[in-house]
Amino acid sequence: QQQVKQSPQSLIVQKGGISIINCAYENTAFDYFPWYQQFPGKGPALLIAIRPDVSEKKEGRFTISFNKSAKQFSLHIMDSQPGDSATYFCAASMETSGSRLTFGEGTQLTVNP
Amino acid sequence: NAGVTQTPKFRILKIGQSMTLQCTQDMNHNYMYWYRQDPGMGLKLIYYSVGAGITDKGEVPNGYNVSRSTTEDFPLRLELAAPSQTSVYFCASSYSMGSGGGGWEETQYFGPGTRLLVL
Repeated sequence: QQQVKQSPQSLIVQKGGISIINCAYENTAFDYFPWYQQFPGKGPALLIAIRPDVSEKKEGRFTISFNKSAKQFSLHIMDSQPGDSATYFCAASMETSGSRLTFGEGTQLTVNP
Repeated sequence: NAGVTQTPKFRILKIGQSMTLQCTQDMNHNYMYWYRQDPGMGLKLIYYSVGAGITDKGEVPNGYNVSRSTTEDFPLRLELAAPSQTSVYFCASSYSMGSGGGGWEETQYFGPGTRLLVL
C-alpha cells in the first residue's frame, strides 16, 4: 500500500520560474515530513523538512506548505535555477516507527536556462 | 568524516550468484538502512537496524539478508540473485534529535549507491 503519493512525475520549468511538487499521505500518525534532493549518480540528501504543528517552513528559495486537514504537503522552489535540476522525493515518518521513512515516487525536475 | 560509504559502485551478477554490498558510516549513528531505488518507484526500504545486533525487515526484504555486528557496518547480502534485484541500492544512517518544541526531527544520510545488474 502506497502511503505517500507524489506528483508530478516530471516537471520542466524555465529559469526564474516557480517549481511546485505535491505530495499526499494517508496515515494520520505521520509526524515528520522531509524532502530529499537527489542529483544524478548521487545519494539523496535532506533539503528541508516540516512537522505538522506548522503550516509553512521556508529556507532560502525552498518552502514547504503543509495542509494537515487535507493530508497534503508541497515543495515550492522560487526563482528556479538550472542547478536545481534534480529528482525530488517527499517522505513521511512517525517517531514510533523507529525513524523509518516512507518515500513518494519522486519528481524529476528540469530547469531550462 | 567520510560519512556513509558503499562498495562496490557497480556490479554485474549472473542469475543465482550471491554477493555482499558493503556499507560503513563514521558518524556513530545508531540507525542504519538499506533501500533500493527503481525508476519511478521512489526508494523502498529493504532492512533497517536500530543498533548493533538489532535488525528488522522493511517493505521489500525478500531475497536479502543483513547483519549488524558493529555500529559502523551494515552489509546487505543477496543470495541467489534474480533479475528482479537489478536496481540501485542505497545505504543510509541517521540520528534523531529534538526540534526544540518537544517534537523530534531526523536526518538520514545516504551513501553514493551501488548499481547492481543481474543478468
